Amino acid sequence: GIQVEQSPPDLILQEGANSTLRCNFSDSVNNLQWFHQNPWGQLINLFYIPSGTKQNGRLSATTVATERYSLLYISSSQTTDSGVYFCAVRYGNNRLAFGKGNQVVVIP
Amino acid sequence: DAGITQSPRHKVTETGTPVTLRCHQTENHRYMYWYRQDPGHGLRLIHYSYGVKDTDKGEVSDGYSVSRSKTEDFLLTLESATSSQTSVYFCAIRDSDRVYEQFFGPGTRLTVL
Repeated sequence: GIQVEQSPPDLILQEGANSTLRCNFSDSVNNLQWFHQNPWGQLINLFYIPSGTKQNGRLSATTVATERYSLLYISSSQTTDSGVYFCAVRYGNNRLAFGKGNQVVVIP
Repeated sequence: DAGITQSPRHKVTETGTPVTLRCHQTENHRYMYWYRQDPGHGLRLIHYSYGVKDTDKGEVSDGYSVSRSKTEDFLLTLESATSSQTSVYFCAIRDSDRVYEQFFGPGTRLTVL
């Protein structure tokens, strides 16, 4: 099956810092999603981004499908950004393959 | 909010006991999914449904069965729970037939002793 690798696995940020999370995938994909899992376990949709760039407030994402990677940018990080960020790619008709996540801790 | 609820939210059971988890959605979505989340593995697909009575296996389906007798409910059953099935279980829906974005429910934490 398709492989999804996220880096870095763990990241500690000072509040106000910027960061970039990376998602590499092993095969051509038709769509890609980024999620944030907050400390209470809830999975929150951040971006549905098969290709191109999208922005939502302090977060933005870029997917370059031809080169098999996606980037999630967090600017001016806040403590509420803490949690785990997951990248997931669609393969086949109905399946999502998830990476193992980027654990982010933002300290005040 | 995609109108997804899961029940129960927490359950502790013993090895060998049957367990059924319920996913309920209120917005008539055709596609529904069950995933499990374990440390070091991200989320992995167990089963999914593409309509009433239409289901298919995911990558970790052994030991699980599903049923969907009406659009709004997707049930996941562990016929005889084992300790390896201790996990957090998430239900998801796909919002559209044309757009493949999935949205997740709040999760069920299952502990098998």
